[in-house]
Amino acid sequence: NAGVTQTPKFQVLKTGQSMTLQCAQDMNHEYMSWYRQDPGMGLRLIHYSVGAGITDQGEVPNGYNVSRSTTEDFPLRLLSAAPSQTSVYFCASSWKGAFWSPLHFGNGTRLTVT
Amino acid sequence: KNEVEQSPQNLTAQEGEFITINCSYSVGISALHWLQQHPGGGIVSLFMLSSGKKKHGRLIATINIQEKHSSLHITASHPRDSAVYICAVSRGGTSGSRLTFGEGTQLTVNP
Repeated sequence: NAGVTQTPKFQVLKTGQSMTLQCAQDMNHEYMSWYRQDPGMGLRLIHYSVGAGITDQGEVPNGYNVSRSTTEDFPLRLLSAAPSQTSVYFCASSWKGAFWSPLHFGNGTRLTVT
Repeated sequence: KNEVEQSPQNLTAQEGEFITINCSYSVGISALHWLQQHPGGGIVSLFMLSSGKKKHGRLIATINIQEKHSSLHITASHPRDSAVYICAVSRGGTSGSRLTFGEGTQLTVNP
């Protein structure tokens, strides 16, 4: 099993560009989520999904879009990148929600917006 | 005030020392997670607990629901334990899928 796979590992964007961060898991987990990690702040939830076809907003959803068309994949789209979105992004999955089961994290994507 | 507070922010220890990292939270929770973030950035789940105590190797996690407090202990610390340790809470119910994170404790264990 590969676990949670995130791509790319690094990305540099210009302000206004769009891109998609990919996240895939092969553990048949229902729950998937995206977080951003910024210096001096804890991880913050962007969006999450409790199953295929179901998504919901987290703490900092503005400027990001998600969809969950399959159990395995949960891509995060930046619609029009801004310097404030410079961060490290983590995808995570678990069997059920964070209330029920431990999280498995991807290795992260370091995004710089210039 | 953050909903999840960790202390200390930074901790330096000598190899072999007993280490305690604390986590206090201000909301009712259904589960608490301890995570480890390696120097390379990867995050690993160490424990998920909702009551009592759990042990895995040299790591012990405890939680006191009434006092809204959890501790992570490392016995016989080793330089490879150097990492950031993160506490996170889940509130359950309709918010059960949301985690709120502390800022993390940077642990350095010197040989």
